Amino acid sequence: AQKITQTQPGMFVQEKEAVTLDCTYDTSDPSYGLFWYKQPSSGEMIFLIYQGSYDQQNATEGRYSLNFQKARKSANLVISASQLGDSAMYFCAMRAWGTGGFKTIFGAGTRLFVKA
Amino acid sequence: EAGVTQFPSHSVIEKGQTVTLRCDPISGHDNLYWYRRVMGKEIKFLLHFVKESKQDESGMPNNRFLAERTGGTYSTLKVQPAELEDSGVYFCASSQVDREYTGELFFGEGSRLTVL
Repeated sequence: AQKITQTQPGMFVQEKEAVTLDCTYDTSDPSYGLFWYKQPSSGEMIFLIYQGSYDQQNATEGRYSLNFQKARKSANLVISASQLGDSAMYFCAMRAWGTGGFKTIFGAGTRLFVKA
Repeated sequence: EAGVTQFPSHSVIEKGQTVTLRCDPISGHDNLYWYRRVMGKEIKFLLHFVKESKQDESGMPNNRFLAERTGGTYSTLKVQPAELEDSGVYFCASSQVDREYTGELFFGEGSRLTVL
């Protein structure tokens, strides 16, 4: 069975510091992609970053980087230099295109609070 | 370019009533997904359309839920009769078929359903 686990319901970080949001996944498919989405209080889901299972390097997008450890099945999101606008829910997601079909599954999310 | 739009943004109904949620995907996106998030839980996959065809409806909870996608454009999700446990936020997402492996989902802002 495929699963995404986010063990941190809530996280606090001081403005301008870095923060790591944890995500572990489970799949038997060798081909899959990992995604992170941000959901501000306004409700829309915003795509942040993508990592493919065969990618050799960790993905980076501006202040976001994905710490991909394939053997440990973890895909942690690192936000550098946190800003007040980073306060939001963050969801880790996976799409496996073998037995998983093309559906994307999500974790329960981590709420990040950035303190001034 | 217009994003994914969902209507209504919030619906409050009594147990036993019927509600129909609508989603208009981004123009040209053949993939359309429905998800549901119950407070504090993961965003749960409901079903996936490719154009007007149901590709995967493994997440539909029971036969009280009916999803349609007329002509491969907008989609509706009807809950009839609604039960208390149907309360949650229903998200619609769309994506391009040619990026269904690695492409991100584009989400609407969700329809919050409250069943009293």
